[in-house]
Amino acid sequence: EIVLTQSPGTLSLSPGERATLSCRASQSIPTSFLAWYQQKPGQAPRLLIYGASNRAAGIPDRFSGSGSGTDFTLTISRLEPDDFAVYYCQQFGNSPMCSFGQGTQLEIK
Amino acid sequence: QVTLKESGPALVKPTQTLTLTCTFSGFSLTTPGMRVSWIRQAPGKALEWLARIDWNNDKFYSSSLKASLSISKDTSKNQVVLTMTNMDPVDRVTYYCARTSSDYGYFDYWGQGTLVTVSS
Repeated sequence: EIVLTQSPGTLSLSPGERATLSCRASQSIPTSFLAWYQQKPGQAPRLLIYGASNRAAGIPDRFSGSGSGTDFTLTISRLEPDDFAVYYCQQFGNSPMCSFGQGTQLEIK
Repeated sequence: QVTLKESGPALVKPTQTLTLTCTFSGFSLTTPGMRVSWIRQAPGKALEWLARIDWNNDKFYSSSLKASLSISKDTSKNQVVLTMTNMDPVDRVTYYCARTSSDYGYFDYWGQGTLVTVSS
């Protein structure tokens, strides 16, 4: 089983700042099989990034993904008030199983 | 427009069987490459993948819950059904169904979720 570890658990930043969220896998994952989601309270997750670096439809370009192997990063270049939420990474490298990281809470400082 | 919606009981008793239905529109589960998964989330906790059914009726389960899960589809009704036996007396859990339309496994559309409490 591939375990995803996200860090930090909580990130406190102000609007306009840059956010860097990390996702580390217990074994190497093809970049095609790494995705990021945003979840707001009371809502379902929303796909942000797939294939490690491809933005999903309608996602602003301030969101970007990078990384390879076991280390992946989600970057939000300039935080807007609507960006404060929980972010999850997900892998599908050991298809058909998939797993999620434990999440990073992005909160307003 | 792709939509998914979960339905099922809000309350089940411990040891009972939970049956959840995902009703979707905007795509067909007979189209090659289409897949629907069930994912659950306890309050304040991470997402946990449970099961998946593919367009060709292949079925896959979480290794830790495989013995208690069953997934099926009714393509005429555009529905996917998940049954989970021997429910544990846990806090409220939200169950989501979500679509995968790519071999790369990401979930591009999600239902709104349905909240289930297991309590006597």
